[in-house]
Amino acid sequence: AQSVAQPEDQVNVAEGNPLTVKCTYSVSGNPYLFWYVQYPNRGLQFLLKYITGDNLVKGSYGFEAEFNKSQTSFHLKKPSALVSDSALYFCAVRRGGNDYKLSFGAGTTVTVRA
Amino acid sequence: DTAVSQTPKYLVTQMGNDKSIKCEQNLGHDTMYWYKQDSKKFLKIMFSYNNKELIINETVPNRFSPKSPDKAHLNLHINSLELGDSAVYFCASSPAQVSGANVLTFGAGSRLTVL
Repeated sequence: AQSVAQPEDQVNVAEGNPLTVKCTYSVSGNPYLFWYVQYPNRGLQFLLKYITGDNLVKGSYGFEAEFNKSQTSFHLKKPSALVSDSALYFCAVRRGGNDYKLSFGAGTTVTVRA
Repeated sequence: DTAVSQTPKYLVTQMGNDKSIKCEQNLGHDTMYWYKQDSKKFLKIMFSYNNKELIINETVPNRFSPKSPDKAHLNLHINSLELGDSAVYFCASSPAQVSGANVLTFGAGSRLTVL
């Protein structure tokens, strides 16, 4: 079985401050990890993924995430948040190999105040 | 050009009715999915087809029946609708499943409200 935990339902930050959205995972074998963002009344959009290699992954809109195998974490970060980053963020995991199933966390609502 | 398109975007219906949601992708992807997002925004996979073959069939009531006439289309038919079926249903697609690293492209969602 595979699962994702996003321990925070909501994250609130001021514009210009660093933003962190936490994610931990559980999967047998090597994980494939993803972050998606959902803006109001829209479908999910891909931000970044970790498959192998460098533990620090850079993605769209200035976001990055760090894979930590010992802590089974894949936290999403942005050095300086924008009001336009306010959205719902999902972490997802898929078991390595040719597994089709992508399992999502419960989501974290990010609010960036001006 | 819309990559993954779903119709209808909104659907309001009475309990007991039968309804369908259609999905089409023009990305040339081989794999398509249906996800259900409940009122708490939790996303749960329902079905997946790879080149018209059912590959994921989660624990979903048999009132839900997917159908893939070709690899560019995946429709979802729901019989005898219940209040608990109210949700946003997302269609998604991904390239041929040669690697679990493939990224999903989502449609904009179809909001189903059962009265």
